[in-house]
Amino acid sequence: EVQLVESGGGLVQPGGSLRLSCAASGFTFSRYALNWVRQAPGKGLEWVSYNSNSKSTIYYADSVKGRFTISRDNAKNSLYLQMNSLRAEDTAVYYCTRSNSSGRGAFDMWGQGTMVTVSS
Amino acid sequence: EVVLTQSPGTLSLSPGERATLSCRASQSVTSSYFAWYQQKPGQAPRLLIYGASSRATGIPDRFSGSGSETDFTLTINRLEPEDFAVYYCQQFGTSPFTFGPGTKVDIK
Repeated sequence: EVQLVESGGGLVQPGGSLRLSCAASGFTFSRYALNWVRQAPGKGLEWVSYNSNSKSTIYYADSVKGRFTISRDNAKNSLYLQMNSLRAEDTAVYYCTRSNSSGRGAFDMWGQGTMVTVSS
Repeated sequence: EVVLTQSPGTLSLSPGERATLSCRASQSVTSSYFAWYQQKPGQAPRLLIYGASSRATGIPDRFSGSGSETDFTLTINRLEPEDFAVYYCQQFGTSPFTFGPGTKVDIK
């Protein structure tokens, strides 16, 4: 089955860290660029980060730059998001998404999302 | 940053009617890097339209996209009950990639 499955969400205190994982199956992982997108409760979609298929190009939203790090392991068909110095405003459902291209492309696959709550 | 503005914020229509959703960009967007998504409550978004006018796999032909540069439109002909949802436009030509705030299509 072609799918993306996120894990690693949970409750963390402000200033803390969390590492999200996204396991891909059913397609040739190394051929596609990947992204993280988040959605705060009751709010719209916010793109967080992009990683090209070869890892050569990485982008971040200004809101997370310097605090979050995207990475991928093509041998393990996995995408990661290391989140440090977490803030209350980082509370959201985090989605792993696939671009329909090795580079910039529309997000044609989405995981079910993992909830991150930043609160004391 | 490319800011996307969607209008209207909410569209109240009856099944069978046509929905016309607008997305305006603060600067020109290459059509190849423009998409529309649908999101229903409790679900992840789903890709509807890519390249401004190409339907994604499995998307019914009542959905169509058009536009270029700074003005894009999503049209849903003959609304079905399952089409009542929130719709987002997106550009991914320039980082940061951005989404519009969404248009909610609800039942009148």
